[in-house]
Amino acid sequence: DAGVTQSPTHLIKTRGQQVTLRCSPISGHKSVSWYQQVLGQGPQFIFQYYEKEERGRGNFPDRFSARQFPNYSSELNVNALLLGDSALYLCASSLAQQGGEKLFFGSGTQLSVL
Amino acid sequence: QKEVEQDPGPLSVPEGAIVSLNCTYSNSAFQYFMWYRQYSRKGPELLMYTYSSGNKEDGRFTAQVDKSSKYISLFIRDSQPSDSATYLCAMILSGGYNKLIFGAGTRLAVHP
Repeated sequence: DAGVTQSPTHLIKTRGQQVTLRCSPISGHKSVSWYQQVLGQGPQFIFQYYEKEERGRGNFPDRFSARQFPNYSSELNVNALLLGDSALYLCASSLAQQGGEKLFFGSGTQLSVL
Repeated sequence: QKEVEQDPGPLSVPEGAIVSLNCTYSNSAFQYFMWYRQYSRKGPELLMYTYSSGNKEDGRFTAQVDKSSKYISLFIRDSQPSDSATYLCAMILSGGYNKLIFGAGTRLAVHP
């Protein structure tokens, strides 16, 4: 079975631009979460979606938004990009939304903002 | 003070050594504890998942949780060069939704 798939793998943008990252969860998983990992740090929680609804949001500005589709895939959008948004963006899927569910990560999208 | 503290290393050991990786945490409400392995430019891979205090073993890996001391450990026996990676501890609060709180990660290098 395929794991969590993310696209694109790499992306280069300039300041002020907008970006959309995509994620397909493991088959049968209904919850998708997004994390940002800056070089040398652990991933930081951005969003969790379950059944197309936002279930949790981390400490990120409103420039970050996401949505989940009926097939449980998800998109993360970042507007008005800043240099500090350069990071590895990780998508994780789990069977359900409850705390304690095992999370499985994709390989990530490496975003560089110039 | 960060919720989860993890020594970033790097940690360099010879092949065959026993490796000990550790994290401490401040919030006693953390109930679920995980260890992830992350190779360079890849996503984290779930290695160990534990709920209660005590030990859990899987092959060469042993995860240990001491809730009274707010301390978790990962032991790797007979370490191999292929174990060279960054090891991230992560934990989740009881109840609520599935928000992982990660440590900064420890870089491990196993040399032949």
